[in-house]
Amino acid sequence: QLVQSGAEVKKPGESLKISCQGSGYSFTTYWIAWVRQMPGKGLEWMGTIYPDDSDTEYSPSFQGQVTISADKSINTAYLQWTSLKASDTAMFYCARLKRDPTGSGPDYYYMDVWGKGTTVTVSS
Amino acid sequence: DIQMTQSPSSLSASVGDRVTITCRASHDIHTYLAWYQQKPGNGPKLLIYAASALQPGVPSRFSGSGSGTDFTLTISSLQPEDVATYYCQKYITAFAFGPGTKVDIK
Repeated sequence: QLVQSGAEVKKPGESLKISCQGSGYSFTTYWIAWVRQMPGKGLEWMGTIYPDDSDTEYSPSFQGQVTISADKSINTAYLQWTSLKASDTAMFYCARLKRDPTGSGPDYYYMDVWGKGTTVTVSS
Repeated sequence: DIQMTQSPSSLSASVGDRVTITCRASHDIHTYLAWYQQKPGNGPKLLIYAASALQPGVPSRFSGSGSGTDFTLTISSLQPEDVATYYCQKYITAFAFGPGTKVDIK
């Protein structure tokens, strides 16, 4: 399972780091993705990380806006902001990526296990 | 970028009805498509991967079909616990979700 850190209330300009801890599986051998859901809106992929070597890929929409990291010694992935904006108010989910076993070409991955989400509220 | 669309955006059906949701990709994604269910107040849950493979533990009334650009999610007999928003997602090269279909009970 993936256990996410608790709800956060921050002011604009503050920094924040939220976490996602995996258990019950080999954390270092599965990619982890972060997904944003703004209030009343749909799901948006932010980026992914491979905890074993911290190889990271960002969605162009979020590149430079957030930083994804991991500490494999404690089976935890992180999503952080250096200067929050009101528009960062959202629910953030982490999800484990599993390789699609049916493909015959390159490896592609779907999100098979999700955390319960971390609510981030940014307000002055 | 490959864009994902879904239709309808919402639907209301009776318990026991057959419900079909359509997802379309702007380019060929083969069968690299997943369906997720998100119940109010909860995180998403994987239902279907590889367009038609049922995730273990998901009721068999859920099924998926399609390949290339056109896909469907079918609930063969709608149950009250199926009230949720359903999202398709392509996972070839990068990830992109459809806008969602909200399913209610009539």
